[in-house]
Amino acid sequence: TQLLEQSPQFLSIQEGENLTVYCNSSSVFSSLQWYRQEPGEGPVLLVTVVTGGEVKKLKRLTFQFGDARKDSSLHITAAQPGDTGLYLCAGVNMDTGRRALTFGSGTRLQVQP
Amino acid sequence: EPEVTQTPSHQVTQMGQEVILRCVPISNHLYFYWYRQILGQKVEFLVSFYNNEISEKSEIFDDQFSVERPDGSNFTLKIRSTKLEDSAMYFCATLITGELFFGEGSRLTVL
Repeated sequence: TQLLEQSPQFLSIQEGENLTVYCNSSSVFSSLQWYRQEPGEGPVLLVTVVTGGEVKKLKRLTFQFGDARKDSSLHITAAQPGDTGLYLCAGVNMDTGRRALTFGSGTRLQVQP
Repeated sequence: EPEVTQTPSHQVTQMGQEVILRCVPISNHLYFYWYRQILGQKVEFLVSFYNNEISEKSEIFDDQFSVERPDGSNFTLKIRSTKLEDSAMYFCATLITGELFFGEGSRLTVL
């Protein structure tokens, strides 16, 4: 059972389109983080959301943490080829007591020029 | 410049051989993590290390694995007798003001 379910698994869109990817769980997380990973590299942190209902913006990226702190979404406006990569959500699960980050399986985004 | 540097970038080994992966931080960090990512699969937590002791480990981190910081600088992950299923990218990460910084990873291929 996936602790953090990400959807969709794959997304291929044209440059300029908008998209939303989701990160869902049945567990509560003290915080959620979004990472982007490019081939052959380690994940790079984009943002951390902590408060239920929180919305954070990073240029064309908008991150939202669900009110119950069980889910999160990442919305990209006017996607560009440079946005191509694997988007991972990760969090510290309050139900398991594990302090280390648990990662979702990721959404692989490809933006066609 | 990355917060951590990992070596080797790629290692090919025969099944049953011992492998040591190294992680070198730029500054004097206290928190380290090892994660692995099997090709096409998710990033999985292996172990966390704080102040020269294992802080937490996952069910993946069995007796085949060990971590240490032999000289107070390098942070190593040792796999005693590699199996085919150990083939993966292994990422070291360090925690700085609540943010995890990952190295570029070491790709391990077990034949």
